[in-house]
Amino acid sequence: IVLTQSPGTLSLSPGDRATLSCRASESITSSHLAWYQQKPGQAPRLLIFAASIRATGIPDRFRASGSGTDFTLTINRLEPEDFAVYYCQQYHTSLRTFGQGTTVAI
Amino acid sequence: QVQLQESGPGLVKPSEPLSLSCTVSGDSVSNVRYYWSWIRQSPGKGLEWIGNVYYSGSTNYNPSFKGRVTVSIDRSMNQFSLILKSVTAADTAVYYCARDSGDLGSWGQGTLVTVS
Repeated sequence: IVLTQSPGTLSLSPGDRATLSCRASESITSSHLAWYQQKPGQAPRLLIFAASIRATGIPDRFRASGSGTDFTLTINRLEPEDFAVYYCQQYHTSLRTFGQGTTVAI
Repeated sequence: QVQLQESGPGLVKPSEPLSLSCTVSGDSVSNVRYYWSWIRQSPGKGLEWIGNVYYSGSTNYNPSFKGRVTVSIDRSMNQFSLILKSVTAADTAVYYCARDSGDLGSWGQGTLVTVS
């Protein structure tokens, strides 16, 4: 399954809302999709699993939704620490795949 | 709280095998709830899933590695390992290990492997 993320880069300001898209080449049933945040020099951090469930400790300004082939991550009221690269990942199949990433830049 | 730590050579010569281990603490690689995955990230690029292993030893691999990769598990050492054969400069990357329940909830810090 190929995941295509858009846009490649989002240029926003603190306090703005970010809307990130992840489109799958075929339907991901059971909502087996995750979102990660990665900051420079750090390992990725799991934000969302099962398409819409926040991982432990993730603030509620991170919201995710979607099903089938179209998924969205929304970050409300961007904080300075939210500027990072975001990846989606599917686990509908035994072969995991990632999207190419969206950079949320100041 | 699970922790994962990658280890292995930071420099590998072209055509030689790359070999890394991931030591798990705070959980057991025999835990039937999880697979154990390897992921890499080439400089300035995105994340690429390499493969995973289950406690039983069953594995799944990214076909793009064309049979060059082997992931194995050592339950006695609470470790799992990656071997990537016949490396080239294109295999230069930060290699991560992660606990895999479909989503990858816990990651090691990553280790940079340079092929040169």
